[in-house]
Amino acid sequence: DTGVSQNPRHKITKRGQNVTFRCDPISEHNRLYWYRQTLGQGPEFLTYFQNEAQLEKSRLLSDRFSAERPKGSFSTLEIQRTEQGDSAMYLCASSLQGTDTEAFFGQGTRLTVV
Amino acid sequence: AQTVTQSQPEMSVQEAETVTLSCTYDTSENNYYLFWYKQPPSRQMILVIRQEAYKQQNATENRFSVNFQKAAKSFSLKISDSQLGDTAMYFCAFGPNFGNEKLTFGTGTRLTIIP
Repeated sequence: DTGVSQNPRHKITKRGQNVTFRCDPISEHNRLYWYRQTLGQGPEFLTYFQNEAQLEKSRLLSDRFSAERPKGSFSTLEIQRTEQGDSAMYLCASSLQGTDTEAFFGQGTRLTVV
Repeated sequence: AQTVTQSQPEMSVQEAETVTLSCTYDTSENNYYLFWYKQPPSRQMILVIRQEAYKQQNATENRFSVNFQKAAKSFSLKISDSQLGDTAMYFCAFGPNFGNEKLTFGTGTRLTIIP
């Protein structure tokens, strides 16, 4: 296993378009997290899954955002009707629930809305 | 809700010197974890060191050590014998319970090691 994988690495889209990002976690990890990181800031929590269940969503996650993890493996994050304020790095992380382990991060998807 | 504050946006130090990065946090929880993550330019975030709140002994990992002051809610990172590869953004983070639930991050400190 090579770690958490995110695709694409970079995405440039026009305002108003929909975009979808994918995250493949470490295979045995049952928890998966999405964070957003804007320039000069630390990552901010968006949502997380335990297996296929979405357990928590931040108030940062407006109704234009939707995340899924249909089979408890990979996850997708979709942003509809993108706005310039959505420009950010979107980070995915995974971990094992209830164990003394760390969260491993992917390299992120950098979204630029023009 | 938890908050994490890093008051040093940027720091620089000569190679081989020691540097300390500051972090304070606020929480009403009693059991939690604190982390320092390193984010090199254009690379993924990696864990540097972790501290469990119920442990009084400060964590150490090779050249990296922490000064954890629970009553003061302070959690600083000391890097000894700094190396060029230590150049990165460093984020302090708070994690509840086992620590691998959602993390609350500070705004980061950009550390530059000068040759």
